[in-house]
Amino acid sequence: DQQVKQNSPSLSVQEGRISILNCDYTNSMFDYFLWYKKYPAEGPTFLISISSIKDKNEDGRFTVFLNKSAKHLSLHIVPSQPGDSAVYFCAASRNNAGNMLTFGGGTRLMVKP
Amino acid sequence: ETGVTQSPTHLIKTRGQQVTLRCSSQSGHNTVSWYQQALGQGPQFIFQYYREEENGRGNFPPRFSGLQFPNYSSELNVNALELDDSALYLCASSIGGQPQHFGDGTRLSIL
Repeated sequence: DQQVKQNSPSLSVQEGRISILNCDYTNSMFDYFLWYKKYPAEGPTFLISISSIKDKNEDGRFTVFLNKSAKHLSLHIVPSQPGDSAVYFCAASRNNAGNMLTFGGGTRLMVKP
Repeated sequence: ETGVTQSPTHLIKTRGQQVTLRCSSQSGHNTVSWYQQALGQGPQFIFQYYREEENGRGNFPPRFSGLQFPNYSSELNVNALELDDSALYLCASSIGGQPQHFGDGTRLSIL
């Protein structure tokens, strides 16, 4: 049973536009959510996180939104750059910390110049 | 600051064999977790060590075991290898409740 789902395997966006990556979860015990970016042959790199007591967190071009009632979070990248092309993973934890993570299946983002 | 390093990069084993993967955590990090990433899927949590004790485990059988050493480096041991164990094995370290930093992984192939 997948507790964290990323329903879009891939997303293609034009450079300069907004990229929106979505993630749904089923376990109401999750209280901390993270986004990681992964390039080929490298490990996942932490991007941004959000605690369940918040509904938005911003860091530069990256913003994460959390809708607890819908059990849904999204990552917005504005403006998108070709270097953002990678696989993005949504992850969640139950201990209000950034470890013992449950990951989604990933979304491949392609930003076209 | 040295990041998370894993060895070896690639490994080929046959069914029934045993394997040990190694991880050096990022400087100052006292918590180490291991994840298995099958092709086309997200990483799956195997277990976590904090101060040399296992303090969390995912849905993996006992033939997956680990160690953490006083310098916070870690090993993942897998006994009686099966074909389905072919995957990328990722090590991640952290301190406190901070987000984990990942190594580049060990690609394990079972023939």
